[in-house]
Amino acid sequence: DAGVTQSPTHLIKTRGQHVTLRCSPISGHKSVSWYQQVLGQGPQFIFQYYEKEERGRGNFPDRFSARQFPNYSSELNVNALLLGDSALYLCASSLLRISTDTQYFGPGTRLTVL
Amino acid sequence: QKEVEQNSGPLSVPEGAIASLNCTYSDRGSQSFFWYRQYSGKSPELIMSIYSNGDKEDGRFTAQLNKASQYVSLLIRDSQPSDSATYLCAVEGGNKLVFGAGTILRVKS
Repeated sequence: DAGVTQSPTHLIKTRGQHVTLRCSPISGHKSVSWYQQVLGQGPQFIFQYYEKEERGRGNFPDRFSARQFPNYSSELNVNALLLGDSALYLCASSLLRISTDTQYFGPGTRLTVL
Repeated sequence: QKEVEQNSGPLSVPEGAIASLNCTYSDRGSQSFFWYRQYSGKSPELIMSIYSNGDKEDGRFTAQLNKASQYVSLLIRDSQPSDSATYLCAVEGGNKLVFGAGTILRVKS
């Protein structure tokens, strides 16, 4: 079975631009979470979506938004990019949204903002 | 105080030795605990999950949990050079994972 997939793999943008990152969860998984990982740090939680509704939001500005589609895939949007948005963006899927459920990570999208 | 704390390392061990990785957390209500391995430039890969106090073994890996002390550890027996990576401790915090900064492990052949 295919794991979590993300696209694109790498992305280079300039300050002020907008970016859309995409994620497809493991087949049968209904929950998708987004994390940002800056070099040298652990992943930081951005959003969780379950059954197409936002179920959790981390401490990120309103420039960050996301949505989940009927097929459970998800998009993360970031507006007005800043240099500090350069990071590895990780999507994780889980079967349910309960706290004991294991999250499986995709390969990530490496975003560089110049 | 950080929510999940790990020694950043690097922790260097010789091949064949036991590597011991430690993690403390602040939220006493956390119920689920995970160890992920992350190779440079790659995404985190799940190694172990643990939910109850005590030890849980899976091959060369043993996770240990002590909720009273708010402490989680990972032991890697017979360490191999391929185990060289960053090990991330993750603690459940209300339907999200809260990660430590990770411990860099280097296994010397």
